[in-house]
Amino acid sequence: DIQMTQSPSSLSASVGDRVTITCRASQSISSYLNWYQQKPGKAPNLLIYGASTLQSGVPSRFSGSGSGTDFTLTISSLQPEDFATYYCQQGYSAPTTFGQGTKLEIK
Amino acid sequence: QVQLQQWGAGLLKPSETLSLTCAVYAGSFSGYFWSWIRQPPGKGLEWIGDINHSGSTNYNPSLKGRVTISVDTSKNHFSLKLTSVTAADTAVYYCARVGGYYLIDNWGQGTLVPVSS
Repeated sequence: DIQMTQSPSSLSASVGDRVTITCRASQSISSYLNWYQQKPGKAPNLLIYGASTLQSGVPSRFSGSGSGTDFTLTISSLQPEDFATYYCQQGYSAPTTFGQGTKLEIK
Repeated sequence: QVQLQQWGAGLLKPSETLSLTCAVYAGSFSGYFWSWIRQPPGKGLEWIGDINHSGSTNYNPSLKGRVTISVDTSKNHFSLKLTSVTAADTAVYYCARVGGYYLIDNWGQGTLVPVSS
């Protein structure tokens, strides 16, 4: 299985901050990388697919980049509703696997 | 707008069989894979398996043959069975729709299934 490692595991930031979360794959996954946001008690919500394509309806302050083994999710200016847990996921080979999550908290 | 609604038994005892069903409303059933994913309390996401409208399945090898996913295209339903559950299977179980890049763009509401004696 392809292992997905996110860093950091948790992050404290303030409204208006620029935040970057990193995801690393244990082998090359081309651009088969998706990002999700999950709030407590809710299902995850797709933010970005194919490493850099913004899902319809997702605010443009979210962006993704990377290919191969290293990927980033950037939130350009944090809003109060962005405090949540973020997961990366590889869709390159079965079984699809997720990172362990990054919890973004209010400073 | 596709909606997924899931249901199934809640509290289970060890060795019992978990059974969940997911209905797909207001969208095409063919052309996608339909997946089950679980999340133990306070932990991350684990893919269980998926199925398409033709009944072609893929399963996570980590579940060692305990999983069966089936489909009923006449009702736009798909179902999960997980046998011989243990406390380690305690999780919120989600049904979901899978697209290209294995993106998951629609999720059910989730069902918490505790396993306890």
